[in-house]
Amino acid sequence: EADIYQTPRYLVIGTGKKITLECSQTMGHDKMYWYQQDPGMELHLIHYSYGVNSTEKGDLSSESTVSRIRTEHFPLTLESARPSHTSQYLCASSESTQSPLHFGNGTRLTVT
Amino acid sequence: SQQGEEDPQALSIQEGENATMNCSYKTSINNLQWYRQNSGRGLVHLILIRSNEREKHSGRLRVTLDTSKKSSSLLITASRAADTASYFCATGGGSEKLVFGKGTKLTVNP
Repeated sequence: EADIYQTPRYLVIGTGKKITLECSQTMGHDKMYWYQQDPGMELHLIHYSYGVNSTEKGDLSSESTVSRIRTEHFPLTLESARPSHTSQYLCASSESTQSPLHFGNGTRLTVT
Repeated sequence: SQQGEEDPQALSIQEGENATMNCSYKTSINNLQWYRQNSGRGLVHLILIRSNEREKHSGRLRVTLDTSKKSSSLLITASRAADTASYFCATGGGSEKLVFGKGTKLTVNP
């Protein structure tokens, strides 16, 4: 399996809570991505980063924010969670923009 | 905007049979990639085929690419129960970011 780790694996929280989903990779990849995926559906890119201090919004609008202070770390934060944020969040990294993506196992978030 | 679209949406076969999934896309690409996702897990990269390639093999996997028809197919030969998963195609083009399709859910019955 890929050397990319996401924590927590599952998270159930109440509305209005602030949460941070962690993502770390040990491959030294500059490119990192966050995807949102509802069960049985396609992946939607919500954030990406091409290197330290570089972050961009993806194709799907998201109320989450990301940071990239270190190459290996790309956390995603929701300041105030809502039930509409319930989904699976997948982190990925790649060597270049045309290279295969390495995915973590995801965080399944449920907001009650 | 969505690029790749897989067909069929779901496929159920018996162990030992071949499984074929198709992917169509709309704009020019640099490469096309296939991924597998087991239930509740992340995606695993299977194979990458470049726009100047027509066919590629990896173990029991065979991928073809027809850029004139903007389509690709993934063939899994002699399927096993462990092949049960969702399979996604993803296209990489000038936008630099991979765009994923909705996936084909494959069930291989023992």
